[in-house]
Amino acid sequence: NAGVTQTPKFQVLKTGQSMTLQCAQDMNHEYMSWYRQDPGMGLRLIHYSVGAGITDQGEVPNGYNVSRSTTEDFPLRLLSAAPSQTSVYFCASRGGGGNQPQHFGDGTRLSIL
Amino acid sequence: EDKVVQSPLSLVVHEGDTVTLNCSYEVTNFRSLLWYKQEKKAPTFLFMLTSSGIEKKSGRLSSILDKKELFSILNITATQTGDSAIYLCAVKGGTSYGKLTFGQGTILTVHP
Repeated sequence: NAGVTQTPKFQVLKTGQSMTLQCAQDMNHEYMSWYRQDPGMGLRLIHYSVGAGITDQGEVPNGYNVSRSTTEDFPLRLLSAAPSQTSVYFCASRGGGGNQPQHFGDGTRLSIL
Repeated sequence: EDKVVQSPLSLVVHEGDTVTLNCSYEVTNFRSLLWYKQEKKAPTFLFMLTSSGIEKKSGRLSSILDKKELFSILNITATQTGDSAIYLCAVKGGTSYGKLTFGQGTILTVHP
């Protein structure tokens, strides 16, 4: 099983550029989320989705967009990259039911110059 | 605002030592508390705790939840160098979706 797959693994951008981080899961999970991880701050929720066509904002949504056109895919778009968005980004998914743990992808390390 | 605080933030021990990692929380409509281990890449799931006083155990790792005092501990006995990692505590609360709020993590380093 592939689980949660994120691409790319590494990316360097210039300030003002846009890009899309890809996330796909093959477990037919309803719930998908994007987090960013910064030193000393744990993981912070950016956006999440409870099913195809449904998305909502998390703790730190500014500067990011998401869409969920299929169950499998949940891309994260940076509209105009800023140095403050330099971080490691994790996508996660979990199945329905109250007590299912989240499964994480391997992360995308993003640097904005 | 939901809040999760872990302590210590970092810990250095030698192989064979026993360590206790702490996680305290404030969350609306608590549903569960989760522990993850993060090595170089993705956090991997360790335990999910929903009831007070019931220990979850997996090999040398164990965890327990106190819903009255709003904290959990993760114990690792007879530590090994392979236990070196960031240990993350997260709490699920709120609506039926159950968004996770993470603590800052504890960086554990085990020396030979």
